Amino acid sequence: AQSVTQPDIHITVSEGASLELRCNYSYGATPYLFWYVQSPGQGLQLLLKYFSGDTLVQGIKGFEAEFKRSQSSFNLRKPSVHWSDAAEYFCAVGPNNAGNMLTFGGGTRLMVKP
Amino acid sequence: DTEVTQTPKHLVMGMTNKKSLKCEQHMGHRAMYWYKQKAKKPPELMFVYSYEKLSINESVPSRFSPECPNSSLLNLHLHALQPEDSALYLCASSQDRAGPYNEQFFGPGTRLTVL
Repeated sequence: AQSVTQPDIHITVSEGASLELRCNYSYGATPYLFWYVQSPGQGLQLLLKYFSGDTLVQGIKGFEAEFKRSQSSFNLRKPSVHWSDAAEYFCAVGPNNAGNMLTFGGGTRLMVKP
Repeated sequence: DTEVTQTPKHLVMGMTNKKSLKCEQHMGHRAMYWYKQKAKKPPELMFVYSYEKLSINESVPSRFSPECPNSSLLNLHLHALQPEDSALYLCASSQDRAGPYNEQFFGPGTRLTVL
């Protein structure tokens, strides 16, 4: 069965600093990988996705992620964090054996210091 | 229109009440989902509808009853809930179950409190 691990529960960075959120997955085939962001009390917004092709994917809000098959990782990066980036970030992999289902990681809470 | 809407935004109900959550999308998506999310946790899948038919029920208690009246609407009927059912309920939709176009679009959620 597939699984997703986000090793960092909380991360605090200063505004303007660079950011990397880690995501490791376990999957038996070529995965579809996603990063979602959730502001408090809100739904999830898709930041970016990887299906195939170029392993460096660009997303919205200046985010990018790199798929590394050898490390089973799909880490999210941003060169300069803004205070509005403070939120919960979820990595997800799909589909699972039941079809178009997503398996979510536990999430990483990002806090931004002024 | 790339939006999933959910009503109400907040709902407070007693354990004997009957209420419904509503979700709507006009993107032509044929798969719709209900998730439950507790605080500081990832969303947990509850139900999946594919082409208006229930295709997945993740062993959800019968006090939650989903309904898909048409391809744009998804309801979640609630009856005799327990306080531990208090959570954020998220609706999502995707183009289809199969193939690479399985990006899920999420609504803003309904914050449910059961007293």
